[in-house]
Amino acid sequence: KAGVTQTPRYLIKTRGQQVTLSCSPISGHRSVSWYQQTPGQGLQFLFEYFSETQRNKGNFPGRFSGRQFSNSRSEMNVSTLELGDSALYLCASSLVLEGSSGANVLTFGAGSRLTVL
Amino acid sequence: EDQVTQSPEALRLQEGESSSLNCSYTVSGLRGLFWYRQDPGKGPEFLFTLYSAGEEKEKERLKATLTKKESFLHITAPKPEDSATYLCAVQAVRQAGTALIFGKGTTLSVSS
Repeated sequence: KAGVTQTPRYLIKTRGQQVTLSCSPISGHRSVSWYQQTPGQGLQFLFEYFSETQRNKGNFPGRFSGRQFSNSRSEMNVSTLELGDSALYLCASSLVLEGSSGANVLTFGAGSRLTVL
Repeated sequence: EDQVTQSPEALRLQEGESSSLNCSYTVSGLRGLFWYRQDPGKGPEFLFTLYSAGEEKEKERLKATLTKKESFLHITAPKPEDSATYLCAVQAVRQAGTALIFGKGTTLSVSS
């Protein structure tokens, strides 16, 4: 069973540029979440998409955006890059059951490591 | 404000030397508490979910427990392959979907 696939794994950008990261979830998983991981702040929730709709959003500026396609694949975009955006960006997918009120287990990809110069 | 604090930040053990990692949390209604393991260069790997105080779960040398204010990850007779960063996360009842609040992790090093 294929896991969560993220591309690219590594990328280097300069300040002011924009970047798009891609995530393919586990087959059958309709929820895709994005997290930013830095040494100082740890893992922080960016946003979640479920059935092509943003269901939840963390406390990040509007430069961070995302979308989900009908096949559940997701992309996130960061515009006008800043040095502080250097981080590991993790995508996670989850099998969310309709009407379920339980906690949902996330399966993470290996991440995309972004360096902003 | 919902918050998760893990201690210690780093822990060095000899092979076979048992110990515990702590996760203290403050959340307005707990939907679930998670433990993940993260190896260098990889994404976090799911270990356990705990839902209510008094619950315990075990997997090989790991045992997770939960109280109303904290969770412990007990490691019994660790081996070098248990070396990793262990992350604790909580999901609040008021949070829809999959938004988790993570602690900063405990980095465990086990030497032979």
